[in-house]
Amino acid sequence: GAGVSQSPSNKVTEKGKDVELRCDPISGHTALYWYRQSLGQGLEFLIYFQGNSAPDKSGLPSDRFSAERTGGSVSTLTIQRTQQEDSAVYLCASSLWLAGAYEQYFGPGTRLTVT
Amino acid sequence: EDKVVQSPLSLVVHEGDTVTLNCSYEVTNFRSLLWYKQEKKAPTFLFMLTSSGIEKKSGRLSSILDKKELSSILNITATQTGDSAIYLCAVEARKAAGNKLTFGGGTRVLVKP
Repeated sequence: GAGVSQSPSNKVTEKGKDVELRCDPISGHTALYWYRQSLGQGLEFLIYFQGNSAPDKSGLPSDRFSAERTGGSVSTLTIQRTQQEDSAVYLCASSLWLAGAYEQYFGPGTRLTVT
Repeated sequence: EDKVVQSPLSLVVHEGDTVTLNCSYEVTNFRSLLWYKQEKKAPTFLFMLTSSGIEKKSGRLSSILDKKELSSILNITATQTGDSAIYLCAVEARKAAGNKLTFGGGTRVLVKP
């Protein structure tokens, strides 16, 4: 079946502009995660949605970052007034909670370059 | 604050060698530990470990969790150049808002022919 998809695959933007990154999770997956990977670094957790619960936003690096998940499916990560340090690959993952265990399925990511 | 530390940061081996990667963690409300292989952008899932002392195996890769020592190792035997990648360890913990993954910084493995 279809996996997690993300769009765009690449985005180049000028410093100060806003960007929106989209994630389409696997149908039926209740959990959705956003991560960021900067060059040479590990994955950085950004935000987590689980069902109808309030999202865990503890990883968002600043108030310029926000995310929504509409109808429990598609999610949009918005970065306002982009800065050069926002340049990274943004990864989305979804998972299905099954009897206390799950696997995360990752999308291909969006490479964001802020010039 | 939850913490996951991987070691070594990087290593270079030759084909046929065996590598052992380490992951240690400090989290509250531990649920599971996961290993991923990342070659390009998106990590691919390798193992999920929830019970201490039970080895999981897939081909030349194996992993085991030690809950007492708060650590896990990932072994790769008879390495091949295709094993070159960043290996990520992540720990799932139960939080008020749900379950959260904390990733280590990864171990970069380079297998030379």
